[in-house]
Amino acid sequence: EAQVTQNPRYLITVTGKKLTVTCSQNMNHEYMSWYRQDPGLGLRQIYYSMNVEVTDKGDVPEGYKVSRKEKRNFPLILESPSPNQTSLYFCASRGGAGWRLNEQFFGPGTRLTVL
Amino acid sequence: AQTVTQSQPEMSVQEAETVTLSCTYDTSESNYYLFWYKQPPSRQMILVIRQEAYKQQNATENRFSVNFQKAAKSFSLKISDSQLGDTAMYFCAFKNAGNMLTFGGGTRLMVKP
Repeated sequence: EAQVTQNPRYLITVTGKKLTVTCSQNMNHEYMSWYRQDPGLGLRQIYYSMNVEVTDKGDVPEGYKVSRKEKRNFPLILESPSPNQTSLYFCASRGGAGWRLNEQFFGPGTRLTVL
Repeated sequence: AQTVTQSQPEMSVQEAETVTLSCTYDTSESNYYLFWYKQPPSRQMILVIRQEAYKQQNATENRFSVNFQKAAKSFSLKISDSQLGDTAMYFCAFKNAGNMLTFGGGTRLMVKP
């Protein structure tokens, strides 16, 4: 089954404790991205990657890091989480030819709470 | 930068009736793509319908259709014969020819029995 997976689905942590949220896709997609969802603001892009070793900032990159060492994985790293990073996080991927290149597939989301 | 505005934070509709969700966007680009996503309580993001800007014909997917007004930069979603399972948060999204996907703030739709 074609899918994007994220782990963990729920995480409660404390300020300053480094954490990583993993994202993996099995569709051989070139493009992957991370979003955060906050009430009234919709989804905002944090970082994206066009292919292995190619990443770029989205709208709200501050406080986050990413890496793309393999095509299927795109982890999101919070080196020193703060309470304002409490949010719902989505990983997404897209790829293929023609119209399919523009259709994003979303993971199930990760609910992060930073105390 | 593109902006997407959904002016209705919450809406409700009676089961079997029709409801229209509004979306406007701002862009200087001519080639772009528009989407409506549904997010039920499970939080999964589900693509409902999509529209390519160069296509004049409005997209339709079963009970879901759009009214795409390119000159007015408007992209509304019409849900016909509303069902209880349509209860969800709906997001309008804009994608340019590059890599940015910009979302509106969302509209929470409640379908009442």
